[in-house]
Amino acid sequence: GAVVSQHPSWVICKSGTSVKIECRSLDFQATTMFWYRQFPKQSLMLMATSNEGSKATYEQGVEKDKFLINHASLTLSTLTVTSAHPEDSSFYICSASAGLASNEQFFGPGTRLTVL
Amino acid sequence: GDSVTQMEGPVTLSEEAFLTINCTYTATGYPSLFWYVQYPGEGLQLLLKATKADDKGSNKGFEATYRKETTSFHLEKGSVQVSDSAVYFCALSDLTGGFKTIFGAGTRLFVKA
Repeated sequence: GAVVSQHPSWVICKSGTSVKIECRSLDFQATTMFWYRQFPKQSLMLMATSNEGSKATYEQGVEKDKFLINHASLTLSTLTVTSAHPEDSSFYICSASAGLASNEQFFGPGTRLTVL
Repeated sequence: GDSVTQMEGPVTLSEEAFLTINCTYTATGYPSLFWYVQYPGEGLQLLLKATKADDKGSNKGFEATYRKETTSFHLEKGSVQVSDSAVYFCALSDLTGGFKTIFGAGTRLFVKA
């Protein structure tokens, strides 16, 4: 099956620093990638949708300037959390779609961010 | 807009018990339906899916049938194991929604030996 990787799997950073999370589709070309945030014991909240070569579409309430998304190629999308604060600590999950008729998304393993 | 509602947890069962996790949906189009499973500390894994009415998705002893008349996609397993303890998410993806996946709140399952 299709594989999506994320790097790093976990990161601890100081308040005020920026953190970049990579999402890669390893064996297929992802026309669309999605970024989710998951708080403990809660469901996934869609943050943004990105299509290769175009600007990401952010969900209501998600700060574009804080969560920078780049989708420079069909196999790589990055999420940068700028000037991170403790309230940004969360589990960030990406997914990728190849635009299949089944609308299936393939999920990465997630990145746990802890901001001190 | 599209939405998914699934039964609240946690659900606690003894090993070999029968499992049902209810899921209903609302959608403007003809969505594909999914069940995802999340084990502690891990990302989501696709458990099963169905793309049209009356389709039955199945995997690892789990199954769910796409019921358009009742807008439901209930997850069932005849005999659960301790290793099935996880959080289960019902989800839909509608072509008219641009491939966005809408998730239910998740149901945590605990299986006791």
